[in-house]
Amino acid sequence: DGGITQSPKYLFRKEGQNVTLSCEQNLNHDAMYWYRQDPGQGLRLIYYSQIVNDFQKGDIAEGYSVSREKKESFPLTVTSAQKNPTAFYLCASSEQGSDEQYFGPGTRLTVT
Amino acid sequence: QQQVKQSPQSLIVQKGGISIINCAYENTAFDYFPWYQQFPGKGPALLIAIRPDVSEKKEGRFTISFNKSAKQFSLHIMDSQPGDSATYFCAANFGNEKLTFGTGTRLTIIP
Repeated sequence: DGGITQSPKYLFRKEGQNVTLSCEQNLNHDAMYWYRQDPGQGLRLIYYSQIVNDFQKGDIAEGYSVSREKKESFPLTVTSAQKNPTAFYLCASSEQGSDEQYFGPGTRLTVT
Repeated sequence: QQQVKQSPQSLIVQKGGISIINCAYENTAFDYFPWYQQFPGKGPALLIAIRPDVSEKKEGRFTISFNKSAKQFSLHIMDSQPGDSATYFCAANFGNEKLTFGTGTRLTIIP
């Protein structure tokens, strides 16, 4: 898990509520990523940021939003527009220009 | 869409045997091929990675074999141990730092 912290480990929300997942890294990495993991589907990229105050949509950005106000922090908000939010969410980071991504321990979100 | 196809979905190997997981890709621009290991409830950890300029890379009991012409790469785990039981993901990218992942292989090593 290195220097990447995700909190909380488990999160429960009612349908229709927005929820924000935390991701903090002390690796001094420039790039940060959010992935969603579902059984049998591998990891799918939601959003990524290569520099502070800038971020790009990944493959499944609909229903999610992010911010990158600080280098070490990249919070993900799961909005009520996300049709199937229950999943395991993983944050990762990498040095600028490096292919090696390092993952946090993940947050399991359950929406009922 | 960029794809990385991984097989098998699950694999059972006896202790001491060789575990082999295969991946195939479509985009010939991919130039970085990592393998990640994930234990239940944990984040994936980078295990080993290869670039297309070599056909094989070995780190301890883990070896990546790479076939550029066939657009395939595989992970071999020699002398498989119960502690190797985990889900393994292959991935690929081409320099934009956006990894494309395979769907994962659940490996179980039995005594």
